Amino acid sequence: AQKVTQAQTEISVVEKEDVTLDCVYETRDTTYYLFWYKQPPSGELVFLIRRNSFDEQNEISGRYSWNFQKSTSSFNFTITASQVVDSAVYFCALKVGRTSGSRLTFGEGTQLTVNP
Amino acid sequence: DGGITQSPKYLFRKEGQNVTLSCEQNLNHDAMYWYRQDPGQGLRLIYYSQIVNDFQKGDIAEGYSVSREKKESFPLTVTSAQKNPTAFYLCASSAPGRNTGELFFGEGSRLTVL
Repeated sequence: AQKVTQAQTEISVVEKEDVTLDCVYETRDTTYYLFWYKQPPSGELVFLIRRNSFDEQNEISGRYSWNFQKSTSSFNFTITASQVVDSAVYFCALKVGRTSGSRLTFGEGTQLTVNP
Repeated sequence: DGGITQSPKYLFRKEGQNVTLSCEQNLNHDAMYWYRQDPGQGLRLIYYSQIVNDFQKGDIAEGYSVSREKKESFPLTVTSAQKNPTAFYLCASSAPGRNTGELFFGEGSRLTVL
């Protein structure tokens, strides 16, 4: 069975601070994919990034960066110079195997509040 | 614009009543999904469908039913057998023939049982 744990339920920062959201996953599959989604107050989740288990290269996209470490089964997400618009619930998710379809296992989510 | 439309956005139900949540997509996606979101529990998969006229149970299917008669539509019925139906329900779809895991979500339906 798969599991995703986001230990931080809520994080509150002041604008321009850097913030890291933690994600730890569990799976016995050697082929898997990790994701981050953002859920703004409107409710719909928005896809941010996907990494596969064979690619541990870290990724940066603007103010967002992701650190994937198989040795610790972690896929952490850092927002640099946070902004009020970053306030949302962030979900880490896991998909195992190469089968078609996109059945994901989600973590509990981290509510990020960025205060002005 | 292409996307996923869920309706209604808010719904109130009396105990013992069935209720159907609508999900329509115009993205030409083959696969569609229903998730339930509860505070502190993330998203849990209720049902999913990878093709028309076929669907599979997810992790918490008890008390729910679905149909997939058209590619564009995947309605979810919350039956009276669902013990704790008050929740936020999210519908999603994924692109055809791809194994990316990228889901496109609707804005959700919030169901409250009175």
